Amino acid sequence: SQKIEQNSEALNIQEGKTATLTCNYTNYSPAYLQWYRQDPGRGPVFLLLIRENEKEKRKERLKVTFDTTLKQSLFHITASQPADSATYLCAPPAGGGADGLTFGKGTHLIIQP
Amino acid sequence: GAGVSQTPSNKVTEKGKYVELRCDPISGHTALYWYRQSLGQGPEFLIYFQGTGAADDSGLPNDRFFAVRPEGSVSTLKIQRTERGDSAVYLCASSKTGYGYTFGSGTRLTVV
Repeated sequence: SQKIEQNSEALNIQEGKTATLTCNYTNYSPAYLQWYRQDPGRGPVFLLLIRENEKEKRKERLKVTFDTTLKQSLFHITASQPADSATYLCAPPAGGGADGLTFGKGTHLIIQP
Repeated sequence: GAGVSQTPSNKVTEKGKYVELRCDPISGHTALYWYRQSLGQGPEFLIYFQGTGAADDSGLPNDRFFAVRPEGSVSTLKIQRTERGDSAVYLCASSKTGYGYTFGSGTRLTVV
């Protein structure tokens, strides 16, 4: 069955450094992949979508890559700030003809001042 | 409205009772999704509406769960004979294009 894996451990990064989060998927080939940010007690907020024919997508300090050979997406935050602390969720489409997204468990990112 | 609104924000109910959770999506968004999120997990897909019809209900865990969207805007998720295992945050999302969902803040359901 389709599986999404994200770093289950919290990621601690020093302010100003680049944070890199990993999303690996197995047993299918999504046509695109979305990344969301979730703060405690809130719903996820859409950040970026990257398609299978795009190697890289950027938005301000955010960069996403999509390697269909490695079956992996990397999410980078450059010049990280304490306000970037949150849980980041990777979400490819469900696949198999199903609608909706399949979310990973998320990576809890902590930016330390 | 400006965002996706979910009510109530919190609901505590006794085991065996019936509950209704409401979602008011962004005006003009034809796609509406319900997800369920347990602590430490990502959101889990329940059901997807395109307009008034349930286009995909494959994520509903059993027949105690049902959702409607009679006029293509507001949706209600209904849970019968609630069980303690139903306790979770129920998230609603809407989308115009099917990409980049806008989520509500969720309803935290606690079954005691």
